[in-house]
Amino acid sequence: AQSVDQPDAHVTLSEGASLELRCSYSYSAAPYLFWYVQYPGQSLQFLLKYITGDTVVKGTKGFEAEFRKSNSSFNLKKSPAHWSDSAKYFCALEGRGQGGSAKLIFGEGTKLTVSS
Amino acid sequence: GGIITQTPKFLIGQEGQKLTLKCQQNFNHDTMYWYRQDSGKGLRLIYYSITENDLQKGDLSEGYDASREKKSSFSLTVTSAQKNEMAVFLCASSLDWGDQNTLYFGAGTRLSVL
Repeated sequence: AQSVDQPDAHVTLSEGASLELRCSYSYSAAPYLFWYVQYPGQSLQFLLKYITGDTVVKGTKGFEAEFRKSNSSFNLKKSPAHWSDSAKYFCALEGRGQGGSAKLIFGEGTKLTVSS
Repeated sequence: GGIITQTPKFLIGQEGQKLTLKCQQNFNHDTMYWYRQDSGKGLRLIYYSITENDLQKGDLSEGYDASREKKSSFSLTVTSAQKNEMAVFLCASSLDWGDQNTLYFGAGTRLSVL
């Protein structure tokens, strides 16, 4: 099976706090994991990805994510959070489609609201 | 840089109608995708294409057809629109069909069915 779970549909915090958005995955092989962000009224943009190597990966806009094989997680972090970080965040796993070609499998997303 | 252009931005259809959504990219990417985004849900893959004239079914292909007649364009057809259906259809592209590729998304087509 190949799936992604984002258990928190909504996260609210105050500007200046630390944010951590949770993501867990299920995949039988070594995973390639991604985070994308969707700002209000816009389409999805790539934030960062984990392929191999260092378990903490840094991306754009000051975000980083930590890959933990032990509990199949890939949580997104940023400190401090800014009101402009308010958006919907999607975690994704690169799975396999028909014929073995790669395809991205997305979680349901977490809507982050940062109040100023 | 490049851009993905989806047309139309808004599409209003009638129940049972056949509706076509278009997507163009100038990245010169090999692979293109169609995803459906429903309110409160994640993105679900409808169809993808790893090269011109190739089509691969995603998890949600029933009720849809797709066409990739040129490398730069990828069309999606809703074969019979369902009453009260509302969703956003997102087109994306990536460099090729191999591993680890970043997807670039268009702005989306919002569908409403009366």
